[in-house]
Amino acid sequence: KQEVTQIPAALSVPEGENLVLNCSFTDSAIYNLQWFRQDPGKGLTSLLLIQSSQREQTSGRLNASLDKSSGRSTLYIAASQPGDSATYLCAVKDAGNMLTFGGGTRLMVKP
Amino acid sequence: SAVISQKPSRDICQRGTSLTIQCQVDSQVTMMFWYRQQPGQSLTLIATANQGSEATYESGFVIDKFPISRPNLTFSTLTVSNMSPEDSSIYLCSVYTGNEKLFFGSGTQLSVL
Repeated sequence: KQEVTQIPAALSVPEGENLVLNCSFTDSAIYNLQWFRQDPGKGLTSLLLIQSSQREQTSGRLNASLDKSSGRSTLYIAASQPGDSATYLCAVKDAGNMLTFGGGTRLMVKP
Repeated sequence: SAVISQKPSRDICQRGTSLTIQCQVDSQVTMMFWYRQQPGQSLTLIATANQGSEATYESGFVIDKFPISRPNLTFSTLTVSNMSPEDSSIYLCSVYTGNEKLFFGSGTQLSVL
């Protein structure tokens, strides 16, 4: 059974800092991995999707990387802003279309 | 992308009552997914709703407690029946788009007293 872990569970940084969020998974036979953002009490917003054959995806200040062999993905946020404050979740989809979510990293960017 | 309208956004309900949550998608989709997010937890899949057939429920979730309707390819409802405080959660519907991204509705924050 796939298990997805996100460390740290919470992170507080000053505005302007570059930061890295981590996502690890136990079964490397994945189909794709997706990063989401969730604001308090709200739904999830898709940020980046990485297919199993890809190494990274970029969107604006966000860059997500994938290393299947080591069971890891990172989400890099450049020049963080207070508006980036949210919970970030990764989700791994396996070949059987089962989607497993990590527990999320709660990010606070202080002005 | 997909735009999903989910209602209500939040509700406070009494123990023993039922609440029906609606999701409307701006395009036709084969499958719609219903998730639960308990306080401080990640997402757990409740069921997959297919148009024209019964929903497929995940382990730990049953139709009597979470009946689902899927009358057409753009709409679905989830009912939380005979509620107890343990049902207090955020409930989310979601769909996949053609590029395999998963899109979510805005969520329904349910509190049961």
